[in-house]
Amino acid sequence: GQQVMQIPQYQHVQEGEDFTTYCNSSTTLSNIQWYKQRPGGHPVFLIQLVKSGEVKKQKRLTFQFGEAKKNSSLHITATQTTDVGTYFCLLLGISNFGNEKLTFGTGTRLTIIP
Amino acid sequence: ETGVTQSPTHLIKTRGQQVTLRCSSQSGHNTVSWYQQALGQGPQFIFQYYREEENGRGNFPPRFSGLQFPNYSSELNVNALELDDSALYLCASSARSSGRDEQFFGPGTRLTVL
Repeated sequence: GQQVMQIPQYQHVQEGEDFTTYCNSSTTLSNIQWYKQRPGGHPVFLIQLVKSGEVKKQKRLTFQFGEAKKNSSLHITATQTTDVGTYFCLLLGISNFGNEKLTFGTGTRLTIIP
Repeated sequence: ETGVTQSPTHLIKTRGQQVTLRCSSQSGHNTVSWYQQALGQGPQFIFQYYREEENGRGNFPPRFSGLQFPNYSSELNVNALELDDSALYLCASSARSSGRDEQFFGPGTRLTVL
């Protein structure tokens, strides 16, 4: 089945430092979404990437889709305490039976040291 | 908030019992996806419903079944509960027919199986 590795599993940074999480797929993706889940909360949509090599920015967040559409990254510049949470990629694909299949990455848990 | 509601909030069952979880999708959405999230893990895709039909399924046994109603609300049924079924169950609604648009998650139902 589809393997979705996300690295690192955990990241502890000083407030103001940068943070990056990577999502790697064993298969070519049609598109990818990123979500943030705060402790005790539910996933909240951040962005969707569709095109090969696509780069999108949301304030301090930069999202990138690899040229081969097999990997993606999320980079946060100058982290703030509000960035605390777990960041997941979500891969949207088609199963062997032609149906929808959604696979979350393993997640990267970000903690901030004030 | 997303407008997606789930009930109940918490539930305690014993092994072998059956449970039904409910989800009301956001207004205008016709697709509902269900996920199981064990503590410290990423959400695992159970299945997706589009216009009352199952549109995709993850690697879950048949004792996990679902329904979607004409108003696009949905139910998740789990028979013969096992201890490993203890988890947070999340539903998410989306607007597109393929479910490839942004997913809006509900707050989840915390199921404990004793």
